[in-house]
Amino acid sequence: AQSVTQPDIHITVSEGASLELRCNYSYGATPYLFWYVQSPGQGLQLLLKYFSGDTLVQGIKGFEAEFKRSQSSFNLRKPSVHWSDAAEYFCAVEGGPSGTYKYIFGTGTRLKVLA
Amino acid sequence: DAEITQSPRHKITETGRQVTLACHQTWNHNNMFWYRQDLGHGLRLIHYSYGVQDTNKGEVSDGYSVSRSNTEDLPLTLESAASSQTSVYFCASSDWGSEQFFGPGTRLTVL
Repeated sequence: AQSVTQPDIHITVSEGASLELRCNYSYGATPYLFWYVQSPGQGLQLLLKYFSGDTLVQGIKGFEAEFKRSQSSFNLRKPSVHWSDAAEYFCAVEGGPSGTYKYIFGTGTRLKVLA
Repeated sequence: DAEITQSPRHKITETGRQVTLACHQTWNHNNMFWYRQDLGHGLRLIHYSYGVQDTNKGEVSDGYSVSRSNTEDLPLTLESAASSQTSVYFCASSDWGSEQFFGPGTRLTVL
């Protein structure tokens, strides 16, 4: 069955430290991949997406993600975390060019940033 | 600017009552989706639509229904609200081949 796994429920980092949030998927074909961020009481905002091409994707707010087909992963990274990055982060996959436009979401990773 | 709105933002209702949550988008997107968000489950798809008069069941559709009479709106109805339907509900829309854009959410409490 198709699935998305975010192994870390909570992550705590110090402000200025680097960050990596993990996302692994199980999907038959090469899917479209997304990272969203959700601040408390808010909706989801797209950070970045991968459809095809360069496997290193740049997003908003200084985030990037790398698609690794061999590892079925799409990990999110940021070189230096800011206090305003504290939020919940969701990885999602969709079926690609022959897909159904439906997302499968991971269960999320809640990021806490220490001053 | 184009946007997607949800109303109400907060709703308290009683078990057994019918409840309708509104979702309105001005993106002119064909695809619209309803999700519920619960701790430990992420977002789960309730219903979705690819266009006017088209509706489809998602993974957690029991107890919910939707109708699509125009491009802009996809109201979600809880036929007989249950405490298990206490959740935060998000509406989203997308065009063919694009990402989904999310509304601000509706927090529903069923007492």
